Amino acid sequence: DVKVTQSSRYLVKRTGEKVFLECVQDMDHENMFWYRQDPGLGLRLIYFSYDVKMKEKGDIPEGYSVSREKKERFSLILESASTNQTSMYLCASSFQGLGSPLHFGNGTRLTVT
Amino acid sequence: LAKTTQPISMDSYEGQEVNITCSHNNIATNDYITWYQQFPSQGPRFIIQGYKTKVTNEVASLFIPADRKSSTLSLPRVSLSDTAVYYCLVGYNTGGFKTIFGAGTRLFVKA
Repeated sequence: DVKVTQSSRYLVKRTGEKVFLECVQDMDHENMFWYRQDPGLGLRLIYFSYDVKMKEKGDIPEGYSVSREKKERFSLILESASTNQTSMYLCASSFQGLGSPLHFGNGTRLTVT
Repeated sequence: LAKTTQPISMDSYEGQEVNITCSHNNIATNDYITWYQQFPSQGPRFIIQGYKTKVTNEVASLFIPADRKSSTLSLPRVSLSDTAVYYCLVGYNTGGFKTIFGAGTRLFVKA
């Protein structure tokens, strides 16, 4: 079974802090994704990566950056956290074949005060 | 990218069959149709995927008509533990693909 592990289940940070969210997958998937999920807005794609050191902006990349130095690890960085970045953050991975489904982690609930 | 439309919510009773329909009028030739289930405080979980006609696995069936502009997820004999949000996604998966998750359908199963 594919396992996508997010390093923290809950995080509380202060406005202006630099925040790192880590995600590791164990299935040698090429693609990795970061989403945020907010009530009434569903899941929105922040960034994705289809290979090591490659990244593509999703629908809402502003205020975020990502890093993928190794195939199994994809990090989401909030350069200067703001209260409007309080959200549930979900990491996912998939193979690069046609129609390959996404495998999600259990999420990190981030609160910025 | 094909957008999807699903009912916002549905109610059912234990033991009933539940059918959730998703509309995707501008589906493209290479697009697959994938359904996910999400419980509170968890990430979405893959349920089933199809390209055309009918697909069945141990938890659900997926019906896709010939024009592929809609699809129906069928959950046989639901239980209380099937209470969740169900998302329909349409897209392909190569390098550079993006996904659009709609609001999903909140299914509430009653005893």
